Amino acid sequence: QKEVEQDPGPLSVPEGAIVSLNCTYSNSAFQYFMWYRQYSRKGPELLMYTYSSGNKEDGRFTAQVDKSSKYISLFIRDSQPSDSATYLCAITGNQFYFGTGTSLTVIP
Amino acid sequence: DTAVSQTPKYLVTQMGNDKSIKCEQNLGHDTMYWYKQDSKKFLKIMFSYNNKELIINETVPNRFSPKSPDKAHLNLHINSLELGDSAVYFCASSQDPPLLTAGVRNEQFFGPGTRLTVL
Repeated sequence: QKEVEQDPGPLSVPEGAIVSLNCTYSNSAFQYFMWYRQYSRKGPELLMYTYSSGNKEDGRFTAQVDKSSKYISLFIRDSQPSDSATYLCAITGNQFYFGTGTSLTVIP
Repeated sequence: DTAVSQTPKYLVTQMGNDKSIKCEQNLGHDTMYWYKQDSKKFLKIMFSYNNKELIINETVPNRFSPKSPDKAHLNLHINSLELGDSAVYFCASSQDPPLLTAGVRNEQFFGPGTRLTVL
């Protein structure tokens, strides 16, 4: 079993839609949960970071962690064409594990 | 100012050649990484150095050899290049190495990538 599993997508949504991106992880010792965004032909950049169960909001983005289910999500409200990118979940404990990425396209 | 820089950005070479990719970070971080990203966008860690000391060495062919002359630099040398080495290689850095207590100091900052094509 991989340490992190991510819904592979790809996802294609109309502008304004709510997007849900999801990952599961296997090791309950993992403490910190991150979402990275990677635009085409660029390096990943940190979008959101959280370490506790519950929700964390930043503008149109909400990161959700459920440690009991070992499940993390990223919600994007009012999605924009500029949100079109690959989103990678990342989980860290004594190692750093990335999910396989979900490609998102927001259609104007 | 670019935080994490890599050279070259593109590298096209023949099978069997030896090539190097250079990485520099000006963030004052202690930890640096090399990742390989394949065509399906999967990011696979290869190596990590903390204060010039190798701390992560994943299952990678020994044709790949990292070198860290100082904390700000981590280079990757590849011998006898093969077709399967074609990928995008990313360098990254973080304040601290992956630790249970590191928290946000684990955040990794990535370079722009080096697109390697082996013909």
